[in-house]
Amino acid sequence: GENVEQHPSTLSVQEGDSAVIKCTYSDSASNYFPWYKQELGKRPQLIIDIRSNVGEKKDQRIAVTLNKTAKHFSLHITETQPEDSAVYFCAADSGGYQKVTFGTGTKLQVIP
Amino acid sequence: DAGVIQSPRHEVTEMGQEVTLRCKPISGHNSLFWYRQTMMRGLELLIYFNNNVPIDDSGMPEDRFSAKMPNASFSTLKIQPSEPRDSAVYFCASSLGAGEAFFGQGTRLTVV
Repeated sequence: GENVEQHPSTLSVQEGDSAVIKCTYSDSASNYFPWYKQELGKRPQLIIDIRSNVGEKKDQRIAVTLNKTAKHFSLHITETQPEDSAVYFCAADSGGYQKVTFGTGTKLQVIP
Repeated sequence: DAGVIQSPRHEVTEMGQEVTLRCKPISGHNSLFWYRQTMMRGLELLIYFNNNVPIDDSGMPEDRFSAKMPNASFSTLKIQPSEPRDSAVYFCASSLGAGEAFFGQGTRLTVV
């Protein structure tokens, strides 16, 4: 089955700096890559996703890049703000019906 | 729509007791997922249904775990008998086809 690795496990940045989280996946058939944000004590919520037919997608301060050849994808957050502090999960769709396999999460701390 | 609704929000039970977690997916969604989240293992997919049919239950840890979806608007996850290592947050999520998965608020289960 699919195996998703995520790095780093923790990340601290100063407010206003950029944050980058990287993931790799193993199943070359995966074609959908969502990113979820989970605030403390709350549910994971989708913040952005990308499908295999594009290499990059942006939504305001958030962007994702995908390299299908290398089987890795990344989340970029620019101009970080304290409210960006949360755990971020990458995921890869390893089959139909959006059966996603999650990475282990990155705890992002934005220091004011 | 109120989103994915899970009950109870918190459950404390004694080892050996039966535990039933409930989920109401978003109306019109045709895929439903049960996840377990722990510090040690992160977010794990236990089982997912499509059109009320279990598609993949390979993530169910043991025979003590069972899940049903008798109709499009209701699913249960049952643990019998429960053990302390089952303590975790259990999330239900639903999606429409290959769209975004929406998570419920989760059930925090503590087995003492």
